[in-house]
Amino acid sequence: GAVVSQHPSRVICKSGTSVKIECRSLDFQATTMFWYRQFPKKSLMLMATSNEGSKATYEQGVEKDKFLINHASLTLSTLTVTSAHPEDSSFYICSARTRRSGQGKGGYGYTFGSGTRLTVV
Amino acid sequence: AQKVTQAQTEISVVEKEDVTLDCVYETRDTTYYLFWYKQPPSGELVFLIRRNSFDEQNEISGRYSWNFQKSTSSFNFTITASQVVDSAVYFCALSELGDDKIIFGKGTRLHILP
Repeated sequence: GAVVSQHPSRVICKSGTSVKIECRSLDFQATTMFWYRQFPKKSLMLMATSNEGSKATYEQGVEKDKFLINHASLTLSTLTVTSAHPEDSSFYICSARTRRSGQGKGGYGYTFGSGTRLTVV
Repeated sequence: AQKVTQAQTEISVVEKEDVTLDCVYETRDTTYYLFWYKQPPSGELVFLIRRNSFDEQNEISGRYSWNFQKSTSSFNFTITASQVVDSAVYFCALSELGDDKIIFGKGTRLHILP
């Protein structure tokens, strides 16, 4: 089945530095990628939706200048946390929308990356 | 606007007991998709099921079963003969046809005690 490879799985960075998280779709083209963040013992909150070749659409309350999303190719989307601070420490997870064969319009599935645990010290 | 409510924050049962996780959703769309995901301590999301709004048939997969009731906007998940390995956080989620994104409930943390 469809696989999304997300790296790194864990990262620790110093406050004020930037961190890039990559999600690659393996063996399929991900025209749409979703980025979520999850605080400890909380739900997954959608941050933004990115479509290949266009600007990402951010959810209300998400700082687009802080969380830079690039979806330059059909197999790669990146999330860069700029000038990270301790409050940005969280679990970030991407999801690629995939089309299921034989299900026509709307027959989409979603494949999630394995997540990135970011700790800002 | 779409919304998913998982009223049970945390459940503990003894191994081999059956347990049902509740999920109630809100949507204005007539075409939508419901999901259940499992999130073990490692963090990755494990896909369990996807159901479209036109298919109200209940589904059984091994020890897992799902009850979809449009009349009550519920999509409940039952684990029979629970096992310790079932311990995880379970998320119910909703996606509307007119909107690509998946919206998650707050999750239910399930503890299966040996």
